[in-house]
Amino acid sequence: NAGVTQTPKFRVLKTGQSMTLLCAQDMNHEYMYWYRQDPGMGLRLIHYSVGEGTTAKGEVPDGYNVSRLKKQNFLLGLESAAPSQTSVYFCASSYSGGPGDTQYFGPGTRLTVL
Amino acid sequence: ILNVEQSPQSLHVQEGDSTNFTCSFPSSNFYALHWYRWETAKSPEALFVMTLNGDEKKKGRISATLNTKEGYSYLYIKGSQPEDSATYLCAWPSNTGNQFYFGTGTSLTVIP
Repeated sequence: NAGVTQTPKFRVLKTGQSMTLLCAQDMNHEYMYWYRQDPGMGLRLIHYSVGEGTTAKGEVPDGYNVSRLKKQNFLLGLESAAPSQTSVYFCASSYSGGPGDTQYFGPGTRLTVL
Repeated sequence: ILNVEQSPQSLHVQEGDSTNFTCSFPSSNFYALHWYRWETAKSPEALFVMTLNGDEKKKGRISATLNTKEGYSYLYIKGSQPEDSATYLCAWPSNTGNQFYFGTGTSLTVIP
């Protein structure tokens, strides 16, 4: 099992450009999450999904959109990138989403917006 | 926004030393507490899930305790080794589990 994978690993964008980050999991997990990691701050939840075809906002959703067309994939989109979106983005998944359920993380995508 | 705090922010210890660090979280409405180990350039990896007051979990030289009434958890590493060097994160989930609130982590460096 590959677990949780993310594509791409690195990306540099110019302000105003758009891009999509892809997260894939092969563990048949229902729940998937997108986080961002910034210096001096804990991982913060952007959006999450409780199942195929569903999405919901997390703590810091502004400037991002997501889609979950297939159970195994969760896409994070930036329609018009801003320098404030320079960050490391992590995807995670969990089986049932309960408080005691472990979230499994991908390796991260480092995004720089110039 | 709920505060999950970890201390110290960073720690340097000599190989063989034992060490511990703290995660503080809201003591009301407790559901679970997660510990993760995060090595540089890798994914955060789950260490423990703790759910009951007084819980103590152990994995090799690493152990964790939980006090839900006062809102803290300790992570202990006995006889630290260079391969223990990593950032240790704790996370406090909401009642639905949809929202994990992460601390900023404790960065541990074990000097050979």
